[in-house]
Amino acid sequence: KQEVTQIPAALSVPEGENLVLNCSFTDSAIYNLQWFRQDPGKGLTSLLLIQSSQREQTSGRLNASLDKSSGRSTLYIAASQPGDSATYLCAVLYSGAGSYQLTFGKGTKLSVIP
Amino acid sequence: NAGVMQNPRHLVRRRGQEARLRCSPMKGHSHVYWYRQLPEEGLKFMVYLQKENIIDESGMPKERFSAEFPKEGPSILRIQQVVRGDSAAYFCASSPGVRVRSSNEQFFGPGTRLTVL
Repeated sequence: KQEVTQIPAALSVPEGENLVLNCSFTDSAIYNLQWFRQDPGKGLTSLLLIQSSQREQTSGRLNASLDKSSGRSTLYIAASQPGDSATYLCAVLYSGAGSYQLTFGKGTKLSVIP
Repeated sequence: NAGVMQNPRHLVRRRGQEARLRCSPMKGHSHVYWYRQLPEEGLKFMVYLQKENIIDESGMPKERFSAEFPKEGPSILRIQQVVRGDSAAYFCASSPGVRVRSSNEQFFGPGTRLTVL
């Protein structure tokens, strides 16, 4: 059974700081890994998707890496801003036995202090 | 191109009533997924459907819950005889298909927040 763990559960940083969020998964048989952002009471915004054959993806101040063999991904946020405050979710699309369900971590709640 | 649509956005039901949640996938998408987010919990997969077929319902509770994706119209998640523990955010996602490697990204709707009184 695929399990996804995100560390830390919560993080508070001053504005302008660079930061790294971590995600680990137990089964390397994945199609892809997605990072999402969720604001309180809102839906999910997809930030980055990394296919299993890729090592990283970049979008603006965000960079996500994937090491499938070790079951790890990181989301790097450069020059953090108060508007980055949200919960960040990592999810893997498992490719075992015809199941295409996303397995989510519980998220990292980020607070960027002005 | 409109995104994934879900309605209603908020739904209040009393214990024992039925809840019907609707999801219209993105245009051109034929695969629909339902996820549930309980308070203070992560999102959990419930069911994966294609038009007129349930492909994987391994995450669905055994009783009271059902899902369909008819040939015409939205996908429906139906909860019969709701209980307070059903209070959660229910998210729908869609994808174009999974046979083509590059088309397996899931796009999420805004969710339906169900409150059971």
